[in-house]
This record gives sequence, structure tokens and C-alpha cells, in this order.
Amino acid sequence: DGGITQSPKYLFRKEGQNVTLSCEQNLNHDAMYWYRQDPGQGLRLIYYSQIVNDFQKGDIAEGYSVSREKKESFPLTVTSAQKNPTAFYLCASSKGTSGMRVDEQFFGPGTRLTVL
Amino acid sequence: GEDVEQSLFLSVREGDSSVINCTYTDSSSTYLYWYKQEPGAGLQLLTYIFSNMDMKQDQRLTVLLNKKDKHLSLRIADTQTGDSAIYFCAESPFTGTASKLTFGTGTRLQVTL
Repeated sequence: DGGITQSPKYLFRKEGQNVTLSCEQNLNHDAMYWYRQDPGQGLRLIYYSQIVNDFQKGDIAEGYSVSREKKESFPLTVTSAQKNPTAFYLCASSKGTSGMRVDEQFFGPGTRLTVL
Repeated sequence: GEDVEQSLFLSVREGDSSVINCTYTDSSSTYLYWYKQEPGAGLQLLTYIFSNMDMKQDQRLTVLLNKKDKHLSLRIADTQTGDSAIYFCAESPFTGTASKLTFGTGTRLQVTL
């Protein structure tokens, strides 16, 4: 089955530690995205990548880092510089489009990170 | 920057119609989307509408777009308990190779018996 996997589903970390969230897709999509979801605030874009070895900051990139060494994988590191890291993190992917076509984003099941 | 707003909560009785509203500010939006999120899960695309359309119907779902007022709505006919979820509208300008979506705050739909 094609899809996006995120692991783990729940993650607990002590304050001051870096933590890396995994995101893998086998949909052969070029574009991948990381969002943060907080209650009552919707989804906010952290980073996105249009192609391998390239990525751009989203609206709330401070305190986060990403890499895109493989098409299938887009891991997100939450660093100790992120002031309020406890949240639900969602990864998504899409084909990417160079024209005026709809570009559906497919979402993973999410990782709930709690910093103690 | 872009801003997308939704009311936070809607309660309807099973069998009634639900109408979820959304307003946006970016006049360059090309596509507008409705996503559904069930508890503890990711988002699932329900439907979308291109900005040069004013209505789209897909089975129980009807999307209305008023581009002049920058208002988008999602109507769910014959609402069922399985429709209970959070519904997000999102807009996307034409940015080239990646669709950079701006999401609303989400509307939690509660369906009562």
C-alpha cells in the first residue's frame, strides 16, 4: 500500500534534548512538508521541500531543522532552541506541480511530541 | 500575510445539513480546499474548488465560493455521526512546484442523535 508513515506515534523527551521525527513516503512524490498543530490554531507550516537536497523555511521554522537526502524521507529535528515544542506534528507529501493544477497533499498519521 | 478564518465549533443533529464557513484574505488564491481530520489522525482531502468556479458538488458535499467576499463554505447533506471531525479549509496561491497551503483554525463538527 502506498502512503506516508510517521514514527513514533507518541514521543516524550526531556527539556533541552534534541529529538528527530521520522517521515517516509512511498508515493514517489517530489514535495514534502512538515506542519505543527496546536489546539485552536490550525496547522502551521514549519518547512517544506520541493525536491531532493532542497528545502525552504515555512512560517514557523525557528528551532527546527530538516534534511532531504532521499526522495522518500524528510526527517524533522526539534532542537532545544524551540521554546514550546509540545505539539502534534504532521508530515505531508504531494506530487508538486509546475502548472495551474491542483496539488493534493497526503498526510501521515502524525506524531504527538510531549516535552517534560 | 495570508489569513484564513473559521468558527471553532458546530453542532448539528443527525440527518440535518451542516454548513461550515471559511473566510480568507489572499486574493491570489488559485485553489481552495476542504480537509477532514478525525481524532488523533492526519488530514484527508475531502474536496477542492478552483478559484474561477463558484460551486462544486460531490455526492453529499457542496462547496460554494464567493470570490468577491472571499468566502468559502462546505455543506454536508444528511449529516451522519461518522461526519464528526474537525474540518479545515485551506487556500493555495500559485507558487510553482509546491503547494504552500495556508490552513484555517479548523471547525469541530459534532453530530448528535
